[in-house]
Amino acid sequence: AQTVTQSQPEMSVQEAETVTLSCTYDTSENNYYLFWYKQPPSRQMILVIRQEAYKQQNATENRFSVNFQKAAKSFSLKISDSQLGDTAMYFCASRGTSYGKLTFGQGTILTVHP
Amino acid sequence: AAGVIQSPRHLIKEKRETATLKCYPIPRHDTVYWYQQGPGQDPQFLISFYEKMQSDKGSIPDRFSAQQFSDYHSELNMSSLELGDSALYFCASSLRVSNTEAFFGQGTRLTVV
Repeated sequence: AQTVTQSQPEMSVQEAETVTLSCTYDTSENNYYLFWYKQPPSRQMILVIRQEAYKQQNATENRFSVNFQKAAKSFSLKISDSQLGDTAMYFCASRGTSYGKLTFGQGTILTVHP
Repeated sequence: AAGVIQSPRHLIKEKRETATLKCYPIPRHDTVYWYQQGPGQDPQFLISFYEKMQSDKGSIPDRFSAQQFSDYHSELNMSSLELGDSALYFCASSLRVSNTEAFFGQGTRLTVV
């Protein structure tokens, strides 16, 4: 079984600044995958970044990067140079196998202010 | 590139009616997942199919059923609808052997009145 916890219901940041969203998880799997999804007002689920647990190097996608602390079971998302279009709900999610279901956290509403 | 297609995008039904949601996965994807997202909630896994067979089951009510057809599209059938079934229903697809993430459709918004 897997659980994902996001303890920040809401966050805000000024445009061009940096913000970090927190996520902790628990799993009994030896190998697993972690994701951050963005859900803008359109409600589309958009993959932001993924991390494979067996890889020690933190994933990076342009302005988005993660801090993966396997021992602490922590998986935070850092957004650099925040843009107005980053305003959305962000979900942290885990998956136990390459084809298994996703388990989502409760979500963090991020608002980027001009 | 082709994405996951869900239809209809919006659906309004009355209590006790039946609804059918359709999902057309990305071509060559062999796995389909269904999720339910209530207002202000995170998506909850309902059911998944791999090569037309049910592969996993989550918190799907007995009033709901689903299947995957020979062309890999999937349908979620919901009967005896209740007000609490009002939600956004997502379908996602993936290709098992390539170890990729699941790609989501735009969702079907179901409103039960």
